[in-house]
Amino acid sequence: EVQLVQSGAEVKKPGESLRISCKGSGYSFTSYWISWVRQMPGKGLEWMGRIDPSDSYTNYSPSFQGHVTISADKSISTAYLEWSSLKASDTAMYYCARLYCSGGRCYEFDYWGQGTLVTVSS
Amino acid sequence: QSVLTQPPSVSAAPGQKVTISCSVSSSNIGNNFVSWYRQLPGTAPKLLIYENNKRPSGIPDRFSGSKSGTSATLGITGLQTGDEADYYCGTWDSSLNLWVFGGGTKLTVL
Repeated sequence: EVQLVQSGAEVKKPGESLRISCKGSGYSFTSYWISWVRQMPGKGLEWMGRIDPSDSYTNYSPSFQGHVTISADKSISTAYLEWSSLKASDTAMYYCARLYCSGGRCYEFDYWGQGTLVTVSS
Repeated sequence: QSVLTQPPSVSAAPGQKVTISCSVSSSNIGNNFVSWYRQLPGTAPKLLIYENNKRPSGIPDRFSGSKSGTSATLGITGLQTGDEADYYCGTWDSSLNLWVFGGGTKLTVL
C-alpha cells in the first residue's frame, strides 16, 4: 500500500527555522516526484514545488522560490520542506503528494500525505 | 491569479447531477491533461479523475471527467450528502514547468 506519512504539527515563532518531512512507503521512492502544496486557512491549494528523489533535482513555483527549500534523502525515502526564517504568513497546512511525471510533463497527484499544520505566532 | 477558473460554488439536491467547470486560460497548458481532486472537510485532497476522464481504482462511476478545447468538466451523478466537499482541477504548465490548481469549487448538497 502506497503511503506518504508527514511529520506532526508545529508551532513556531517568527524568525525561527523549521523542517517538516514526508516519508514514502509501499513503492519505489525514486520512481516518482514529490511535490509540496500549501493551503492557507480557508483558502485553496497552491503548488510550491517538486523534487525528483532520484537525483534531488528541484523546481519551484515563482511564488515560493527563495522562500523555502525542498530536499530529499532517498536512503530513507523521505522528502523535506524547510524554512530558514518563518513568518506569520507561513501559517498554513502543508501537504506532500506523489506526482507522476513523464517526458517532461506532469500528470496527476495520485497519493497525498495527511498534512502538517504549521502555526507561526509570536 | 489562477489560470484555471472554477466557479466558487455549486449546489444541487440529493440524487441529482452536478457539473463543475474548469476553464483553461493559457495556451501553455491547454494541451495537457486535467486532473480533479476532492477535499472533504478537514482532510487531505484525494485524486478523483486523472488524464481528463480516467477514474482511479475505488472511485465510483458516479464521477466522470471530460475535456474539450480549453475547458474541462467534472460530473457527479446521484449526489449524496457525503459528496459535500471542495473540488479542485489541476494541470501542468509545460512552458513554465509548474503545476497549477484551479481556485476550487465548494459543492453543497441541499
